[in-house]
Order: sequence, then C-alpha cells, then structure tokens
Amino acid sequence: DADVTQTPRNRITKTGKRIMLECSQTKGHDRMYWYRQDPGLGLRLIYYSFDVKDINKGEISDGYSVSRQAQAKFSLSLESAIPNQTALYFCATSDSSGGGNQPQHFGDGTRLSIL
Amino acid sequence: GQQLNQSPQSMFIQEGEDVSMNCTSSSIFNTWLWYKQDPGEGPVLLIALYKAGELTSNGRLTAQFGITRKDSFLNISASIPSDVGIYFCAGGYNFNKFYFGSGTKLNVKP
Repeated sequence: DADVTQTPRNRITKTGKRIMLECSQTKGHDRMYWYRQDPGLGLRLIYYSFDVKDINKGEISDGYSVSRQAQAKFSLSLESAIPNQTALYFCATSDSSGGGNQPQHFGDGTRLSIL
Repeated sequence: GQQLNQSPQSMFIQEGEDVSMNCTSSSIFNTWLWYKQDPGEGPVLLIALYKAGELTSNGRLTAQFGITRKDSFLNISASIPSDVGIYFCAGGYNFNKFYFGSGTKLNVKP
C-alpha cells in the first residue's frame, strides 16, 4: 500500500464547481504539504501544515483552502474552480523528529482538469 | 518566490553514457534534494544533501552540495533505459520548506 495516498487520481469538472482533493498518509509524519505542478514550472507550494492546528500559506495559495482533519489527513479545496487551476496536484509529507530539513515524500498525484 | 534554475531542460543520450545536470540559485540553501518522477507517479527521493561540499552516492547516482551553497549537481553513470524520467532538484533553508527546480527531462536511447 502507498504511504501517501491521494484521491481522486483524476478529476474533470466544470468552472465554478467546488472541488476537494484528499490526502492521507500512513508514515506517521507530522508535516504535510500541497503542491501544484504545471509543465515547465516544476512544483509550487500551495499550503503546508506542521501540525493538526497549524495551517500556512505557500507561494500560490489564492483560490485554494485546506483543512488538516487529523495528523494523517490533509485536504485541499478549490471553492470555485477556474480553468487556470487545471494542473497536477501533489500531496507530500515530512517528519520533523529528525531535525533540520527532512526530505518530503510524495503521493502519486491528482490530475485535475477544469473545463 | 525563490528561483531555482535547473539545466539542461532536457537531454537525449545513448544507453551507457554518463549524465550530468545541475541546479543553481541566487539564494543560499542548507539542504539540497534530488528527486526522480516517472510518468503518472509522484517524485521519488534519490539523494539528500545537508552540508556544503558533501558528495553522496546512491548506486549509479552521485550528487554534490556546492561549496557556495547556491548550487547542486547530479551525475548518473552508465545510463540505462529505466533512468528515463524527469529529475527535480529542491533547495531548502528553514522550516522544512523547499523550492523546486523546473526539472530535467532525461531520454535514454537503447
């Protein structure tokens, strides 16, 4: 089983719809992240959470919101989807217990298309 | 946000050749990571570097943390077809936030 699971893997929807992407992890990590990947732009950070009560904006948070329902769950919402939010979305986790900047571990992504 | 310049953007090589790619930044980082992404999958960590000048290997892969802390290099020796994919660098300097390069797409001809 995957350590970081994203659902759905693929989603096609229409402009203006509300979308929720979900991420769950079995790694026991305290830190979770949402990234967006566009061709030629690499990965850009949307939101991150270092604990259940902690939510922080990344570099491209406008148009997105998140919820950390439990240590193992971190969901990303698009309140009113627009076509330029069409992208590949990744959830990642890391463990603070090792100190320093611990590597992030990624799910397999959600491909989101907004028509 | 931070800009990481990763080069080359793409490479076409023959099986058996060695590969070099690099990542540069205008900012200092205290951690460099290298990931590989296969089609339809998430990035998978290859090598993590934590100290300026550090040279670390993982099988045929070797990565170095640049002395200036503004760059990192990844070398792949004796490439094979399964090395095909997109390679990403990531630099981090505090609070476990990383900035990613735009990737190097590697194609290997058998």
